Formats: sequence, C-alpha cells, structure tokens
Amino acid sequence: GENVEQHPSTLSVQEGDSAVIKCTYSDSASNYFPWYKQELGKGPQLIIDIRSNVGEKKDQRIAVTLNKTAKHFSLHITETQPEDSAVYFCAASPAHGGATNKLIFGTGTLLAVQP
Amino acid sequence: GAVVSQHPSWVICKSGTSVKIECRSLDFQATTMFWYRQFPKQSLMLMATSNEGSKATYEQGVEKDKFLINHASLTLSTLTVTSAHPEDSSFYICSASRGGGNQPQHFGDGTRLSIL
Repeated sequence: GENVEQHPSTLSVQEGDSAVIKCTYSDSASNYFPWYKQELGKGPQLIIDIRSNVGEKKDQRIAVTLNKTAKHFSLHITETQPEDSAVYFCAASPAHGGATNKLIFGTGTLLAVQP
Repeated sequence: GAVVSQHPSWVICKSGTSVKIECRSLDFQATTMFWYRQFPKQSLMLMATSNEGSKATYEQGVEKDKFLINHASLTLSTLTVTSAHPEDSSFYICSASRGGGNQPQHFGDGTRLSIL
C-alpha cells in the first residue's frame, strides 16, 4: 500500500524567511496530493492541493511542487508570519478509480515561526 | 464553503459507557465521510470510510463492532464508541467529501474523548 514520508519533523524559521517541507510517496499511481495545516486542538485545514497532471501550484504565499518521476512533493511558504506556526501534514491519495479515495498522511511537521 | 461541524468537541465519561460523535457537513452534500483517530503529536490514522446509505469500510485492525458508523444522510455521519475503555481515549476527527474522484476532504474540529 501507499506510504508517505515527511521531513523535517520540526522546523524553526525567522519571521519573513521561507519554509520548505518535503514529502515522498511510494505508490506511483497516487494522483492527488493535499496539504493540511493543523492548529492545536483543531482539525486539519486544507491549504493547498495538487493533482498529478500539474507540476506546480501557487496560492499567494503558499506553493506546492510535484515531481512524479521522483515521487516527491513539497510545500513552500514564503514570507512566513507567526500565524503560520502550526503542524503541517502532507497526504497522498492512492488511485483506485471511482469513488472518493482515502488519504494516506505523512507524519507531520511542526513549524515554528519566530517573531 | 465546505464547512464540517463535529459535536461534541470534548467528552469525559466513565468506562463501559457508549459515546456518540456527530459529523455534519453544513453547506454541502457529503457523499463520503471519513473517521480518523489521532494520538498526541502523531499523524491521523484512518479508521473507516463511509458512503451515504452504505455500510462503512473499516481499516485493518479497527473493530467494526467497537466503532459503529452510521451515514444515513448526505449531511450527517455518526461514530459510536461502544463500551468505551481508557485505551479508547483519543482525539477523533471526521472529514467529509463531495465524492467522485479526488474531491478534497474537509475536516471537522475533532472530538477529544477521555474515558475514566
């Protein structure tokens, strides 16, 4: 089955710097890759996603890149702000066709943005 | 859009009781809902997938008689933890999706369950 690895487990940056979180997946048939932000005591919030027919997607300060050949995808946050501090999860959706596919989550990255 | 409400947010109960958790999609019809369990500082572990009007599909190692899932309408799914014990204490989170290929999952804010 699909396996998703995520690095680093913790990341501390200065306010205004960029943050990059990387994930790799094992199932070459996976075709959907969302990123979630989870604040303490809350559920995960979808921040950006990318499908396998696209190599890069950007939404303001957040971007995601996908390398299908290498089976890895990354989250890039530019001009970080203290409110970006949270746990970030990547996920991959193994393609089985038909109905909504389940997500396999990475282990999470605790991002701390120092003011 | 895509708001998912989960209730209750926090529950404490005695060992042996059953606890029901509700997950509602407030502004869209959720063909598929998912139930996850999350231990402190860990990732989300999928417990089961439920499609409206069908029996839930449980992940390996998850007891279906222990964790009863009902998805009777396109906006409501419930998870009942039966005869709960301290080891069932955890953070339970639901997500909802419109269904179809690779539709985003939108998560509720979770339920913190503590069994004494």
